Amino acid sequence: QVQLRESGPRLVRPSQTLSITCVVSGDTVSRKGVTWNWIRQSSSRGLEWLGRTYFNSYWYNDNHPSVRSRVTMNGDASQNQFTLQVTSVTEGDTAVYFCARGGGKTGTELDSWGPGIRVTVSS
Amino acid sequence: DVVLTQSPVSLAVTLGQAASISCRASQSLVHRDGNTYLSWFQQRAGQSPRRLIYQISIRDSGVPDRFSGSASGSDFTLRISRVEADDVAVYYCVQGTEWVTFGGGTRVDIK
Repeated sequence: QVQLRESGPRLVRPSQTLSITCVVSGDTVSRKGVTWNWIRQSSSRGLEWLGRTYFNSYWYNDNHPSVRSRVTMNGDASQNQFTLQVTSVTEGDTAVYFCARGGGKTGTELDSWGPGIRVTVSS
Repeated sequence: DVVLTQSPVSLAVTLGQAASISCRASQSLVHRDGNTYLSWFQQRAGQSPRRLIYQISIRDSGVPDRFSGSASGSDFTLRISRVEADDVAVYYCVQGTEWVTFGGGTRVDIK
């Protein structure tokens, strides 16, 4: 059974970079046909899909247009994990961040989620 | 973006009674591969979302058959046939046909 767990700093200063790692067990991040997704949840914006990374001979990313210019996602097969970076954060980036596995033909069927990590952006 | 509009925002149900949650999509969710990628998730307080149903009506493993999903065009419904105390949660519809977007959620409480 796949398990995902997010880790990273809980407090980030405005204008800095938020960085979160999702460690995966019970599955392999480089497995073809599976995507690795980032979602965040805040009281102001609800649940918001940020994007995904996946491996198909190379690592690919698909990021949501609303954050594309500030978001980077990477996969690391050697550590069986994937990461999210959000640059130039503001208080609007305060949220609970979740990682999730995506399956199915489109890779958008989010079948397993991590417990989430609450990140606050504040000076 | 595909917009998913859920209703009601909240509902209180008597134990053992049925509950229905609606989700309306701003456009067709039929993918070019012929499937409709509409899922339902349950999020209990302090937990991450848990998928209950995918592709409109397929229950995930371990999900009680009290939960069922249906569709009529771009209108989707989650039905809980006999609400139990354990069902208190926020329920979300999620589409995966065009990237991923979430409905606003419906809070289910016990009356």
